[in-house]
Amino acid sequence: QVQLQESGPGLVKPSQTLSLTCTVSGDSINSDNYCWSWIRQPAGKGLEWLGHIYSSGNTKYNPSLESRVTMSVDTSKNQFSLELSSVTAADTAVYFCAREDELTLFGVTKIWFDTWGQGTLVTVSS
Amino acid sequence: QSLLTQPPSISAAPGQRVTISCSGSRSNIGINYVSWYQLLPGAAPKLLIYENYKRPSGIPDRFSGSKSGTSATLDIAGLLTVDEGDYYCGTWDTSLQGVFGTGTKVTVL
Repeated sequence: QVQLQESGPGLVKPSQTLSLTCTVSGDSINSDNYCWSWIRQPAGKGLEWLGHIYSSGNTKYNPSLESRVTMSVDTSKNQFSLELSSVTAADTAVYFCAREDELTLFGVTKIWFDTWGQGTLVTVSS
Repeated sequence: QSLLTQPPSISAAPGQRVTISCSGSRSNIGINYVSWYQLLPGAAPKLLIYENYKRPSGIPDRFSGSKSGTSATLDIAGLLTVDEGDYYCGTWDTSLQGVFGTGTKVTVL
């Protein structure tokens, strides 16, 4: 059974960089069938897709955050990571990692997140 | 601001049926497949529906999904108290991003 677990600091100062890691167990991050995503949920608000990364290192980011987001993958540790730079209070949220199934054929995209981590709260505050 | 609109809340008694709508546009639901997620306090989000209507293994058939044009719906039949939580639709948008709905809080009376 696939499991994902987020880890990282729960408190980040404004203007600094938020860094989180997701450890995958029960599946290889090298799987050709999936990519690996970050999603967040500010308190009282909805879900926001931040982006995804393939084991090859290919990435796609949310255009609204693209200038501040970097994702990376460490296949030797079966982990993938998120960095979000120049954070503000608006970046305070529960951050989830998820396994994403995404396929685009003839201009039509199938996308779903079949396994999620429990989420980790990151607070941006001085 | 989400590209997908859902009703903020729905309430119903146990055993009843609820329908959650997800309204999008030609750039997202109108072209691409829709999925649905359940968020319960203290639990990892759960995939309920993918490819508009398919259920992953282990999801009871009380949950069903459909799509028509630029809208999608999630139906929950035979509502149980354990179904109380938040529900989100999701899809891909031609602006090259994953998008989620605004979320619907389901309350079991």
